[in-house]
Amino acid sequence: GAGVSQSPSNKVTEKGKDVELRCDPISGHTALYWYRQSLGQGLEFLIYFQGNSAPDKSGLPSDRFSAERTGGSVSTLTIQRTQQEDSAVYLCASSLTAQSSYNEQFFGPGTRLTVL
Amino acid sequence: RKEVEQDPGPFNVPEGATVAFNCTYSNSASQSFFWYRQDCRKEPKLLMSVYSSGNEDGRFTAQLNRASQYISLLIRDSKLSDSATYLCVVNPLGSGGYNKLIFGAGTRLAVHP
Repeated sequence: GAGVSQSPSNKVTEKGKDVELRCDPISGHTALYWYRQSLGQGLEFLIYFQGNSAPDKSGLPSDRFSAERTGGSVSTLTIQRTQQEDSAVYLCASSLTAQSSYNEQFFGPGTRLTVL
Repeated sequence: RKEVEQDPGPFNVPEGATVAFNCTYSNSASQSFFWYRQDCRKEPKLLMSVYSSGNEDGRFTAQLNRASQYISLLIRDSKLSDSATYLCVVNPLGSGGYNKLIFGAGTRLAVHP
């Protein structure tokens, strides 16, 4: 079956522009997570969704970052007025639910964002 | 102090060697622990969960020491295909909370012929 998909795979943008990153989770997975990974760093949690609601947005680094999920499926991460420090790989993951830590999170291939 | 700390390596070992990675975590209330594997420019994938009693999956053995807040991964009979970055992962809230994962920065392993 299809895994988690993300688009675009690569995005190069100029400082100050807005970008939208898309995640399509595994069918039937109600939980969806966004992480980012800067060069040589571990994954940094950004936000998660259970269904369409986002109970924990604590990882979003600033108010330039927002995410939404509609229909309990596809999610979009939006970064407004991009800065060079936003350059990273943005990874999306999904799991059956968010209620158990032993529900494996399956990751998408990521979107590599470069802000010039 | 980082929530999850690992030696970044790299660990350069010959095929057939046994290699061990360690990881420490800061939140003593953490309940769930994992090792993920990440190949170069690829997404992380779950390698194994780590249980209190320790667990083994083929050539891989994971152990947990709650008193020392320390997790280990042992790889026996290393293969070239084991070359990757190994991420130590902790759920600080445990099964009572939601599935939030805290990742270490990873330990890089390079297995050579």
